[in-house]
Amino acid sequence: SQTIHQWPATLVQPVGSPLSLECTVEGTSNPNLYWYRQAAGRGLQLLFYSVGIGQISSEVPQNLSASRPQDRQFILSSKKLLLSDSGFYLCAWRDKRSRGNQPQHFGDGTRLSIL
Amino acid sequence: GESVGLHLPTLSVQEGDNSIINCAYSNSASDYFIWYKQESGKGPQFIIDIRSNMDKRQGQRVTVLLNKTVKHLSLQIAATQPGDSAVYFCAEILVGNEKLTFGTGTRLTIIP
Repeated sequence: SQTIHQWPATLVQPVGSPLSLECTVEGTSNPNLYWYRQAAGRGLQLLFYSVGIGQISSEVPQNLSASRPQDRQFILSSKKLLLSDSGFYLCAWRDKRSRGNQPQHFGDGTRLSIL
Repeated sequence: GESVGLHLPTLSVQEGDNSIINCAYSNSASDYFIWYKQESGKGPQFIIDIRSNMDKRQGQRVTVLLNKTVKHLSLQIAATQPGDSAVYFCAEILVGNEKLTFGTGTRLTIIP
C-alpha cells in the first residue's frame, strides 16, 4: 500500500531563517505531488504541485519554493522565513494513471511557527 | 479566493444519530468532488468521492449526494460515533486540472 511521510511534524523557526520541509511517498511511482498550506480553522490552499521530477508549478506568489529532486520526494523551501509563513503545511500525492478521477492523499503535515 | 463553501461551520449531533454536512460549490464545470475528514493535528483523510455523472454514492456509513442543478454537495454519516468528531471538508476539481479547491470546513462534534 502507499504511504506518505512528512517531517518534521512541528518546527519553530526565527524570522529570516531558512526552511526545508520534506515529503516522501512510498508504494507508488511517478505520482503527482502537492504542497498545501492550511491557516488555523481554514481550508487548504494549494501552493505548488509537480507532475514529474524537476517539474514544479506554483499556484500563488510567495516567499516559498518547491523542488522535486527524485520521483517520490518533494521539498518545500524558503531562504528567509516571514512571520506570515506560519501555518500547517501539508503534502499530498495522487496517482495520475487514472486521468484525474482519483483523490489526493495527504500526509500528517508540519506545523510551522515563526517567531 | 475559494469557490467551495459550507452552510454550517459547526454541527453537533447525538451519538447514534445521523448527520448531514452540506457544501455549495460555485464552479459548474467541476466534475469530480471529494469529502475529507480532518482530525486535530492530522492531515485530511479521504472519505468518499463522486463524479459529476452520478448523483449519489454510498460507502460504509457514509453517503454523498450531488445536486448539479443547484451546485450542492452533501455528506451523510449514519449512526454517528465519537470517532466521527472532526472537521469535514468538501473539495472540487475539474478533471485534468491539478487544483483541488477546498471549502472552509465544518466541525462535527458527536455528543455522547
